Amino acid sequence: NAGVTQTPKFRILKIGQSMTLQCAQDMNHNYMYWYRQDPGMGLKLIYYSVGAGITDKGEVPNGYNVSRSTTEDFPLRLELAAPSQTSVYFCASSSIDRSSYNSPLHFGNGTRLTVT
Amino acid sequence: QQPVQSPQAVILREGEDAVINCSSSKALYSVHWYRQKHGEAPVFLMILLKGGEQKGHEKISASFNEKKQQSSLYLTASQLSYSGTYFCGTPKTGANNLFFGTGTRLTVIP
Repeated sequence: NAGVTQTPKFRILKIGQSMTLQCAQDMNHNYMYWYRQDPGMGLKLIYYSVGAGITDKGEVPNGYNVSRSTTEDFPLRLELAAPSQTSVYFCASSSIDRSSYNSPLHFGNGTRLTVT
Repeated sequence: QQPVQSPQAVILREGEDAVINCSSSKALYSVHWYRQKHGEAPVFLMILLKGGEQKGHEKISASFNEKKQQSSLYLTASQLSYSGTYFCGTPKTGANNLFFGTGTRLTVIP
């Protein structure tokens, strides 16, 4: 059972380049999330999804796009990379507890992105 | 919107106790706690759903005061393995979309 898998682990981009960060989970979780974590800082929610075909913005969505065509995959797209997007990106997933709407988040190991 | 944690950092000797606080200017309906070791992903510790609820995980426990809009994490008889950054998170809507606090870096020394 792999849990949440993120690829790549590391990436260096030049300003203006594009890339897709991949995220896949094998726990059949409906909910998936993308967070970014700047050095020494907390986690900021970029986008989240409550199921295939449904996505919504988080705190810091500008400069990013997402799609959710399957339950398993939730890729994050950077169209025009900027130095401000240098960060560690974490994907997470959770099941849904219909009685409380609160469930633990399971995080992937992260993608460390540098934009120069 | 983002919860505020205090203290920002704390250094303990093995066996000492610590309290980490998480407070919000808006109503809290639930609070999640996670620990992140350096260079790793955050790991779930516990969720508190109701005001007055208390939970425990090994020698780590937490309480949730709904009226005061705050939660506290208690670490007793700390061990070296407790070192890391602790985050509280609260959902904005019913979608379990957590907004995390600023983090508290805990260092346990021998």
